Amino acid sequence: GIQVEQSPPDLILQEGANSTLRCNFSDSVNNLQWFHQNPWGQLINLFYIPSGTKQNGRLSATTVATERYSLLYISSSQTTDSGVYFCAVAPTDKLIFGTGTRLQVFP
Amino acid sequence: ETGVTQSPTHLIKTRGQQVTLRCSSQSGHNTVSWYQQALGQGPQFIFQYYREEENGRGNFPPRFSGLQFPNYSSELNVNALELDDSALYLCACSLGLDSEAFFGQGTRLTVV
Repeated sequence: GIQVEQSPPDLILQEGANSTLRCNFSDSVNNLQWFHQNPWGQLINLFYIPSGTKQNGRLSATTVATERYSLLYISSSQTTDSGVYFCAVAPTDKLIFGTGTRLQVFP
Repeated sequence: ETGVTQSPTHLIKTRGQQVTLRCSSQSGHNTVSWYQQALGQGPQFIFQYYREEENGRGNFPPRFSGLQFPNYSSELNVNALELDDSALYLCACSLGLDSEAFFGQGTRLTVV
């Protein structure tokens, strides 16, 4: 089956810093989503981005489907950005999740 | 607010018991998927329903079963609970296959 790898596994930042999270996948996909999981377990949709570039405030994402990777950029990080970030891909119509990146932002 | 609601939010069951988890979404979300997330891991796909028919299943035993109703709400049933079934169970709904999925807040199941 398809493999989804995220890097780095852990990231510690000071408030105001920028960061880039990466998602590599091993096969072509129809769908790619980025989520932020808060401490209570809720998965919050960040981007639905099978290809191209999107921006939403301090966050942006780029997916290069032909090279099988996606990047999530977080600028001017805030303590509320802390949590686990998941990339999930759909080679068919079921989401396969990566292992996540745990982000901690300190004041 | 994702428009997807799961109940209950927390549940404690004894090994060997049966449990039913529920998921409802706003009108039009005809596709529902269930995921199991163990502590420290990413969610794992259990199965998917599309217009009341099962549309794919992950690597889970038959004691994990489900239903989707005409109003597109859904149930996940787990029989003969085992300690390893302790996890966060997540429901995801979408407006059709290959569409953006929206998750509920999850049900945290503890088996003792």
